[in-house]
Amino acid sequence: DQQVKQNSPSLSVQEGRISILNCDYTNSMFDYFLWYKKYPAEGPTFLISISSIKDKNEDGRFTVFLNKSAKHLSLHIVPSQPGDSAVYFCAASQLTSGTYKYIFGTGTRLKVLA
Amino acid sequence: DAMVIQNPRYQVTQFGKPVTLSCSQTLNHNVMYWYQQKSSQAPKLLFHYYDKDFNNEADTPDNFQSRRPNTSFCFLDIRSPGLGDAAMYLCATSKESLVGFIPSSYEQYFGPGTRLTVT
Repeated sequence: DQQVKQNSPSLSVQEGRISILNCDYTNSMFDYFLWYKKYPAEGPTFLISISSIKDKNEDGRFTVFLNKSAKHLSLHIVPSQPGDSAVYFCAASQLTSGTYKYIFGTGTRLKVLA
Repeated sequence: DAMVIQNPRYQVTQFGKPVTLSCSQTLNHNVMYWYQQKSSQAPKLLFHYYDKDFNNEADTPDNFQSRRPNTSFCFLDIRSPGLGDAAMYLCATSKESLVGFIPSSYEQYFGPGTRLTVT
Protein backbone atom coordinates (compact mmCIF):
# COMPACT_ATOMS: atom_id res chain seq x y z
CA ASP A 1 0.00 0.00 0.00
CA GLN A 2 1.67 3.16 -1.24
CA GLN A 3 1.12 5.80 1.42
CA VAL A 4 2.90 8.52 -0.55
CA LYS A 5 2.17 8.80 -4.25
CA GLN A 6 3.71 10.80 -7.03
CA ASN A 7 1.47 10.04 -9.97
CA SER A 8 3.50 11.83 -12.62
CA PRO A 9 6.69 9.90 -13.40
CA SER A 10 8.01 12.72 -15.57
CA LEU A 11 7.51 16.38 -16.36
CA SER A 12 9.03 18.67 -19.00
CA VAL A 13 9.01 22.43 -18.58
CA GLN A 14 10.48 25.28 -20.57
CA GLU A 15 13.26 27.29 -18.92
CA GLY A 16 11.88 30.31 -17.09
CA ARG A 17 8.42 28.82 -16.66
CA ILE A 18 6.92 27.34 -13.50
CA SER A 19 7.39 23.67 -12.61
CA ILE A 20 4.71 22.10 -10.43
CA LEU A 21 5.35 18.70 -8.93
CA ASN A 22 2.55 16.96 -7.08
CA CYS A 23 2.35 14.47 -4.25
CA ASP A 24 -0.60 12.77 -2.55
CA TYR A 25 -0.63 10.89 0.71
CA THR A 26 -3.10 8.70 2.54
CA ASN A 27 -2.00 8.76 6.19
CA SER A 28 -3.43 11.69 8.12
CA MET A 29 -0.90 11.03 10.90
CA PHE A 30 2.00 12.32 8.85
CA ASP A 31 3.24 15.47 10.51
CA TYR A 32 6.05 16.67 8.28
CA PHE A 33 6.66 16.61 4.56
CA LEU A 34 9.89 16.98 2.65
CA TRP A 35 11.07 17.29 -0.92
CA TYR A 36 14.37 15.85 -2.06
CA LYS A 37 16.20 16.32 -5.33
CA LYS A 38 18.33 13.59 -6.84
CA TYR A 39 20.89 13.89 -9.62
CA PRO A 40 22.21 10.78 -11.39
CA ALA A 41 24.90 8.89 -9.45
CA GLU A 42 24.22 10.93 -6.32
CA GLY A 43 22.08 10.40 -3.26
CA PRO A 44 18.94 12.49 -2.69
CA THR A 45 19.58 15.94 -1.23
CA PHE A 46 17.14 17.81 0.94
CA LEU A 47 15.38 20.68 -0.79
CA ILE A 48 12.52 22.06 1.28
CA SER A 49 10.05 20.92 3.93
CA ILE A 50 6.76 21.87 5.52
CA SER A 51 5.14 21.12 8.81
CA SER A 52 1.59 19.80 8.85
CA ILE A 53 0.51 22.88 10.80
CA LYS A 54 1.40 25.16 7.89
CA ASP A 55 0.05 25.44 4.38
CA LYS A 56 2.98 27.12 2.66
CA ASN A 57 6.74 27.33 2.94
CA GLU A 58 8.97 29.29 0.64
CA ASP A 59 12.71 29.21 0.04
CA GLY A 60 13.96 31.25 -2.87
CA ARG A 61 12.63 29.80 -6.10
CA PHE A 62 11.05 26.84 -4.29
CA THR A 63 7.66 26.88 -2.60
CA VAL A 64 5.82 23.95 -1.09
CA PHE A 65 2.06 24.04 -0.58
CA LEU A 66 0.17 21.69 1.70
CA ASN A 67 -3.56 21.00 1.48
CA LYS A 68 -4.33 18.80 4.45
CA SER A 69 -7.99 18.33 3.66
CA ALA A 70 -7.06 16.96 0.24
CA LYS A 71 -3.95 15.17 1.56
CA HIS A 72 -2.00 16.81 -1.21
CA LEU A 73 1.20 18.76 -1.44
CA SER A 74 2.96 20.39 -4.32
CA LEU A 75 6.37 21.84 -5.06
CA HIS A 76 6.54 24.94 -7.22
CA ILE A 77 9.78 25.97 -8.86
CA VAL A 78 9.79 29.39 -10.45
CA PRO A 79 11.54 30.30 -12.61
CA SER A 80 12.70 26.85 -13.66
CA GLN A 81 16.33 26.48 -14.68
CA PRO A 82 18.12 23.74 -16.64
CA GLY A 83 20.07 22.86 -13.46
CA ASP A 84 16.78 21.93 -11.83
CA SER A 85 16.57 18.88 -14.10
CA ALA A 86 16.60 15.95 -11.66
CA VAL A 87 14.35 13.41 -9.99
CA TYR A 88 12.25 14.91 -7.19
CA PHE A 89 11.07 12.75 -4.31
CA CYS A 90 8.30 13.64 -1.94
CA ALA A 91 8.60 12.18 1.56
CA ALA A 92 6.37 12.16 4.62
CA SER A 93 7.43 11.58 8.19
CA GLN A 94 5.74 10.22 11.25
CA LEU A 95 6.98 9.93 14.80
CA THR A 96 7.10 6.22 15.59
CA SER A 97 8.64 4.62 18.67
CA GLY A 98 10.54 7.75 19.55
CA THR A 99 12.06 8.47 16.16
CA TYR A 100 10.98 9.71 12.79
CA LYS A 101 10.32 7.33 9.95
CA TYR A 102 10.13 8.52 6.39
CA ILE A 103 7.93 7.23 3.59
CA PHE A 104 9.00 8.20 0.08
CA GLY A 105 7.12 8.54 -3.17
CA THR A 106 8.38 7.01 -6.40
CA GLY A 107 9.73 10.30 -7.72
CA THR A 108 9.05 12.63 -10.63
CA ARG A 109 11.72 13.22 -13.23
CA LEU A 110 11.80 16.92 -14.12
CA LYS A 111 13.39 18.05 -17.33
CA VAL A 112 13.84 21.77 -17.85
CA LEU A 113 14.32 22.60 -21.50
CA ALA A 114 16.66 25.44 -22.44
CA ASP B 1 33.15 18.73 4.09
CA ALA B 2 30.92 16.77 6.40
CA MET B 3 29.30 13.99 4.48
CA VAL B 4 27.86 10.50 4.19
CA ILE B 5 30.15 8.04 2.41
CA GLN B 6 29.18 4.68 1.00
CA ASN B 7 31.60 2.00 -0.11
CA PRO B 8 31.78 0.48 -2.55
CA ARG B 9 29.74 2.46 -5.07
CA TYR B 10 29.20 -0.68 -7.15
CA GLN B 11 29.18 -4.20 -5.79
CA VAL B 12 28.79 -7.44 -7.70
CA THR B 13 28.14 -10.62 -5.77
CA GLN B 14 27.12 -14.13 -6.64
CA PHE B 15 23.80 -15.66 -5.80
CA GLY B 16 23.94 -16.85 -2.19
CA LYS B 17 27.35 -15.30 -1.43
CA PRO B 18 27.29 -13.03 1.64
CA VAL B 19 27.98 -9.38 0.99
CA THR B 20 28.54 -6.36 3.23
CA LEU B 21 27.89 -2.75 2.30
CA SER B 22 29.35 0.03 4.40
CA CYS B 23 28.36 3.55 5.31
CA SER B 24 30.30 6.15 7.25
CA GLN B 25 29.43 9.68 8.25
CA THR B 26 31.34 12.70 9.48
CA LEU B 27 28.20 14.58 10.53
CA ASN B 28 28.08 13.06 14.02
CA HIS B 29 24.40 12.32 13.52
CA ASN B 30 22.75 9.98 15.99
CA VAL B 31 20.35 8.31 13.57
CA MET B 32 21.39 6.18 10.59
CA TYR B 33 19.09 4.55 8.04
CA TRP B 34 19.36 1.94 5.31
CA TYR B 35 17.04 2.12 2.32
CA GLN B 36 16.61 -0.21 -0.63
CA GLN B 37 15.60 1.34 -3.92
CA LYS B 38 14.71 -0.70 -6.97
CA SER B 39 14.34 0.79 -10.41
CA SER B 40 11.49 3.35 -10.68
CA GLN B 41 10.38 2.60 -7.14
CA ALA B 42 10.39 4.63 -3.95
CA PRO B 43 13.28 4.18 -1.52
CA LYS B 44 12.10 1.60 1.00
CA LEU B 45 13.27 1.77 4.60
CA LEU B 46 14.91 -1.47 5.74
CA PHE B 47 15.97 -0.47 9.26
CA HIS B 48 17.45 2.35 11.25
CA TYR B 49 19.54 2.98 14.34
CA TYR B 50 18.65 5.62 16.88
CA ASP B 51 22.02 5.84 18.61
CA LYS B 52 22.65 2.16 19.36
CA ASP B 53 19.00 1.16 19.32
CA PHE B 54 18.21 -0.99 16.31
CA ASN B 55 14.78 -0.67 14.68
CA ASN B 56 13.80 -3.22 12.07
CA GLU B 57 10.94 -2.68 9.65
CA ALA B 58 8.33 -5.41 9.90
CA ASP B 59 8.65 -6.39 6.25
CA THR B 60 12.46 -6.38 6.05
CA PRO B 61 13.56 -9.92 5.15
CA ASP B 62 15.62 -11.85 7.72
CA ASN B 63 18.30 -12.11 5.04
CA PHE B 64 19.17 -8.48 5.81
CA GLN B 65 21.12 -7.60 8.94
CA SER B 66 22.80 -4.46 10.15
CA ARG B 67 25.58 -3.47 12.50
CA ARG B 68 26.53 -0.12 13.97
CA PRO B 69 29.80 -0.49 15.87
CA ASN B 70 30.08 3.24 16.58
CA THR B 71 28.45 6.57 15.75
CA SER B 72 30.29 6.96 12.46
CA PHE B 73 29.84 3.57 10.83
CA CYS B 74 26.93 1.40 9.85
CA PHE B 75 26.99 -1.84 7.85
CA LEU B 76 24.38 -3.69 5.85
CA ASP B 77 24.92 -7.45 5.66
CA ILE B 78 23.03 -9.56 3.15
CA ARG B 79 23.53 -13.13 4.25
CA SER B 80 22.39 -14.96 1.12
CA PRO B 81 21.69 -12.53 -1.71
CA GLY B 82 19.04 -13.50 -4.21
CA LEU B 83 18.43 -12.06 -7.65
CA GLY B 84 15.60 -10.01 -6.17
CA ASP B 85 18.03 -8.21 -3.87
CA ALA B 86 19.71 -6.43 -6.76
CA ALA B 87 19.03 -2.76 -6.09
CA MET B 88 20.50 0.56 -5.06
CA TYR B 89 21.15 0.69 -1.32
CA LEU B 90 21.07 4.12 0.24
CA CYS B 91 22.43 5.09 3.62
CA ALA B 92 21.11 8.21 5.30
CA THR B 93 21.66 10.05 8.57
CA SER B 94 19.75 12.56 10.61
CA LYS B 95 20.28 14.39 13.86
CA GLU B 96 17.27 14.00 16.06
CA SER B 97 16.59 15.29 19.49
CA LEU B 98 13.18 15.90 20.94
CA VAL B 99 12.61 18.99 23.03
CA GLY B 100 9.07 19.05 24.27
CA PHE B 101 8.18 16.52 21.58
CA ILE B 102 9.33 18.87 18.86
CA PRO B 103 12.23 17.47 16.84
CA SER B 104 15.28 19.60 16.25
CA SER B 105 15.63 18.46 12.67
CA TYR B 106 13.68 16.42 10.15
CA GLU B 107 15.90 16.29 7.13
CA GLN B 108 18.01 13.31 6.20
CA TYR B 109 21.42 13.37 4.58
CA PHE B 110 22.00 10.67 2.04
CA GLY B 111 25.09 8.96 0.74
CA PRO B 112 25.54 8.37 -3.00
CA GLY B 113 24.36 4.78 -2.72
CA THR B 114 25.80 1.37 -3.52
CA ARG B 115 24.42 -0.39 -6.56
CA LEU B 116 24.32 -4.12 -5.89
CA THR B 117 24.29 -6.62 -8.74
CA VAL B 118 23.63 -10.30 -8.04
CA THR B 119 24.81 -12.77 -10.67
